[in-house]
Amino acid sequence: GNSVTQMEGPVTLSEEAFLTINCTYTATGYPSLFWYVQYPGEGLQLLLKATKADDKGSNKGFEATYRKETTSFHLEKGSVQVSDSAVYFCACHNTGRRALTFGSGTRLQVQP
Amino acid sequence: DADVTQTPRNRITKTGKRIMLECSQTKGHDRMYWYRQDPGLGLQLIYYSFDVKDINKGEISDGYSVSRQAQAKFSLSLESAIPNQTALYFCATIVGAGELFFGEGSRLTVL
Repeated sequence: GNSVTQMEGPVTLSEEAFLTINCTYTATGYPSLFWYVQYPGEGLQLLLKATKADDKGSNKGFEATYRKETTSFHLEKGSVQVSDSAVYFCACHNTGRRALTFGSGTRLQVQP
Repeated sequence: DADVTQTPRNRITKTGKRIMLECSQTKGHDRMYWYRQDPGLGLQLIYYSFDVKDINKGEISDGYSVSRQAQAKFSLSLESAIPNQTALYFCATIVGAGELFFGEGSRLTVL
């Protein structure tokens, strides 16, 4: 079955620092890849996605590129803000499979 | 109004009690899911349903049961709660190819 591995947190950064959260996946074929974000006290919400190799998903200043050759989908942001403090989940999904597979989540803490 | 509504949002109960967590959605989607979140373990799939007559076990279904009462309603039950079922539970619907829309979660504490 599919699996997703994320870097462990917490990741602590100062405001305006550069962010990278690593994500690698194991799956058959060509899965779709996602980043979800969970703000304190809330449910998960979709941050960005990519559905095929070399696609770049982007939203709210975050980006991730679907790298088939390295089976990776690393999340990046050039300048983080305190409001980006949250838990970030990487996930993959094969067409026809019935549910997403999630990574274990990475907590990001941004200090002023 | 929220598209996916979970009740209760918080519940404290005792070992051995029966607990039901309810989920309703206003989007008219067929597919609904229950996930459990534990710190450091991400989300684990408990049950999922493709329609009223199609219910499937996920990774960690032992100790749980579900009921799909209607297209819009999907309930999760713990027949006899135990402390290691203390967790945050999320209901979700799927809105596109792999895109999940989550409720705000139900925090359950079993003493």
